[in-house]
Amino acid sequence: DTEVTQTPKHLVMGMTNKKSLKCEQHMGHRAMYWYKQKAKKPPELMFVYSYEKLSINESVPSRFSPECPNSSLLNLHLHALQPEDSALYLCASSQEIWGAVGDTQYFGPGTRLTVL
Amino acid sequence: ELKVEQNPLFLSMQEGKNYTIYCNYSTTSDRLYWYRQDPGKSLESLFVLLSNGAVKQEGRLMASLDTKARLSTLHITAAVHDLSATYFCAALAGKSTFGDGTTLTVKP
Repeated sequence: DTEVTQTPKHLVMGMTNKKSLKCEQHMGHRAMYWYKQKAKKPPELMFVYSYEKLSINESVPSRFSPECPNSSLLNLHLHALQPEDSALYLCASSQEIWGAVGDTQYFGPGTRLTVL
Repeated sequence: ELKVEQNPLFLSMQEGKNYTIYCNYSTTSDRLYWYRQDPGKSLESLFVLLSNGAVKQEGRLMASLDTKARLSTLHITAAVHDLSATYFCAALAGKSTFGDGTTLTVKP
């Protein structure tokens, strides 16, 4: 099974809402990533977890809060977002962080978030 | 700060032709990645290049890395319509930084 799943596929939320994005993989990968991608732009790294510990936080505003409850699951908790946070949020995983053994990243299908 | 520059940004080619996408990066990088993205879809990893002189091939795509020149190339051989997509390179220096992407259109 080489699949990364993300739920929900689409999310519309108001600026006062709290919601969560979920990402799951069952490949035994120990690194998991969150990226944000705005339309017609390259992805931007947000967070990286390695062995369930936060390894990289790219100065992301605190209204985004990541969580890695176990090695298969990665959450992104959202609170008090702004309309400019509307984007495609991509989760990925790899065997080791940054493909240290030459392995590639596997990406989920993404969650398309709209903040009203 | 690591900067990654891809060119061209847009590429329209005929089926059957060859072409190369270039990816330059500004500082020493630990490795180089290539990705493909179809419109409205997620990313697909194509290649990870780990060392100077590394070359990887998959089908009609071949990627190479020259760390001395800080340059990676993605060569397309005998393009087919199915290769139409946006291709991103990303360099790693602590964290990964993406180029702006090359949107490839292959016409019959």
